[in-house]
Amino acid sequence: AIQLTQSPSSLSASVGDRVTMTCRASQGISSALAWYQQKPGKPPNLLIYDASVLESGVPSRFSGSGSGTDFTLSISSLQPEDFAIYYCQQFNSYPLTFGGGTNVDIK
Amino acid sequence: EVQLLESGGALVQPGGSLRLSCAASGFSFRSYAMNWLRQAPGKGLEWVSTIDGGGDATFYADSLEGRFTISRDNSKNTVFLQMNDLRAEDTADYYCAQWAVSTKFVWGKGTTVTVSS
Repeated sequence: AIQLTQSPSSLSASVGDRVTMTCRASQGISSALAWYQQKPGKPPNLLIYDASVLESGVPSRFSGSGSGTDFTLSISSLQPEDFAIYYCQQFNSYPLTFGGGTNVDIK
Repeated sequence: EVQLLESGGALVQPGGSLRLSCAASGFSFRSYAMNWLRQAPGKGLEWVSTIDGGGDATFYADSLEGRFTISRDNSKNTVFLQMNDLRAEDTADYYCAQWAVSTKFVWGKGTTVTVSS
């Protein structure tokens, strides 16, 4: 199974900060990666698919990049509603797998 | 608009069985693979199973050890997850998701399964 390692596991930031988190795959997955945001008690909300395609309706401050084994999710200017847990998911091969998440909280 | 409505979650005793349903609307159901995923309390996301549009191909997480079966009824736009020999570690929110394109899932709101005596 392809393992996805997210780092950091948690980070503290302030409103207006630029935030970057990474997702590393244990083997190459081309661009077969999605990013989600999840808030307590809610299902995951798709932000990015195909590693860099912004889902419709998602604010442009979110961006994704990378291919192969190394991927990045960036938030250009953190907003109060962005404090949440972020997950990556690979679609390259079964079993589909998720990273362990990055918890973004308020500094 | 894609809508997915899961149902069937309940409190069940260890060793028991449960069947989850996911009623879909807003798209051509038979044209899309469908998925079940889960999230245990306070834990991360876990893919459970996928079924292709025709119901001919199915895939499962190794951790299930053959206890779960995914199926679909394209005449009723519904996908199912039959769960047998349930264990405490199966306690989770279970989500249905449409495999929209390439690496894009559209998720339902989930249903809660609790395995406890």
